[in-house]
Formats: sequence, C-alpha cells, structure tokens
Amino acid sequence: GNSVTQMEGPVTLSEEAFLTINCTYTATGYPSLFWYVQYPGEGLQLLLKATKADDKGSNKGFEATYRKETTSFHLEKGSVQVSDSAVYFCARTATGRRALTFGSGTRLQVQP
Amino acid sequence: GAVVSQHPSRVICKSGTSVKIECRSLDFQATTMFWYRQFPKKSLMLMATSNEGSKATYEQGVEKDKFLINHASLTLSTLTVTSAHPEDSSFYICSARDQRRDSYNEQFFGPGTRLTVL
Repeated sequence: GNSVTQMEGPVTLSEEAFLTINCTYTATGYPSLFWYVQYPGEGLQLLLKATKADDKGSNKGFEATYRKETTSFHLEKGSVQVSDSAVYFCARTATGRRALTFGSGTRLQVQP
Repeated sequence: GAVVSQHPSRVICKSGTSVKIECRSLDFQATTMFWYRQFPKKSLMLMATSNEGSKATYEQGVEKDKFLINHASLTLSTLTVTSAHPEDSSFYICSARDQRRDSYNEQFFGPGTRLTVL
C-alpha cells in the first residue's frame, strides 16, 4: 500500500542544534515526496518537495533527499531556531491517486 | 499565489445541528479539492476527494450521508456535517490542487476549521 512512517516526537532540541526527522515510505510506484510544517494554530504549509530519486528539496535551511534505495526522505537542518518549533509531516502521493498520504507528524520543540 | 481559505475558522454548535464549512481557492482554479480530518496530536486522515461538477469520492469508513460534499465551481467546495454529534468534533482541513501545476501533485492547504459539537 501507500504508507509513510516518521519518527515519533516530541523532539526537543536546544537552539542551533542539528535536526534530523526520519521518514520512510513504502516503495510502491514512483511517488512525489513532501514535507509539510504546521505552526501552532495554523494550517499546513509546504516546506519542501522532491519528485524523483536523488532530488534534494530545500527551503528555509531545511533539506531532504529522495533516497530510493533506502525509501527514505529524512528532514535535516543544520541549526534550528526557536521559530522552527512546529509539527512536521512527511507525505507522499498515493499510487494512482491524487490524494496525499501523511505520516503521523513529529512535534519539534526548540528551546532557547 | 496558490492561497486556499476556509470559513469559518472555528465553529461551536449544538448536537443535532448541521454545519457547513467552505473551502475556496483564491487565486487559482482547483478541479480537485480534498477534505481531511485531523484528530489531536494525530495525522491527517483523508475523508473524501471532491471533484468539480461530479460526486465526491469518499474514503472507506466515511459516511457520505453525514459528510456532504459539494464542489459546484472551480474555486469552491463545501463540507456539510449533518446532524453533528460530539464525536464529530475535530479539525477539518481542505486542500486544493492547482491544475496548472499538475505535474507535481502539489496540494495547497487551507488553515483549517475547528468544529466543536456540544
């Protein structure tokens, strides 16, 4: 099927720490992969995307590389800020469908 | 560009009443819109796919008579929760696809509507 698994949170980091949030997907079809971010009280916003193997999506210092060999799309940032505190969702397109399948979300808390 | 709005942002209603939630694409045409439901500290669960000018496609386990979806134009889809009960309380989120950017299957999300049924 089409599923996405991401690490459970919350992830608590100090400001300027390195961030990794793991995400793996089921290897059905040729999905596009996304990371969405949801800040407190707001809707989901697209953070970055990758549409084919070896593509690297990047935005606001965040990066994720589409790894077909490991079916992964891990989110990384070299130096987090307090303002990065939010819930991060990994998502993929569903094979043969237009809807997105989301991971369970990972809450990031960055402390000053 | 690619802004999606929802109205209302939050609504409180009595059990047994119906509530309508609107989802609008403000600066693009959306042939397809999606309705999701998000439970506290949980992921988004797809409820249905709304196609302009045709019937919505519901996910397994979603009651189509309870969650009525209408997609009458390329910029508006509505979700009506009929005879709402406290267990329908949730955060409802819509998204829309911009048919001009179809190749990436990217969806643009509304800010969500928090429904509380007393």
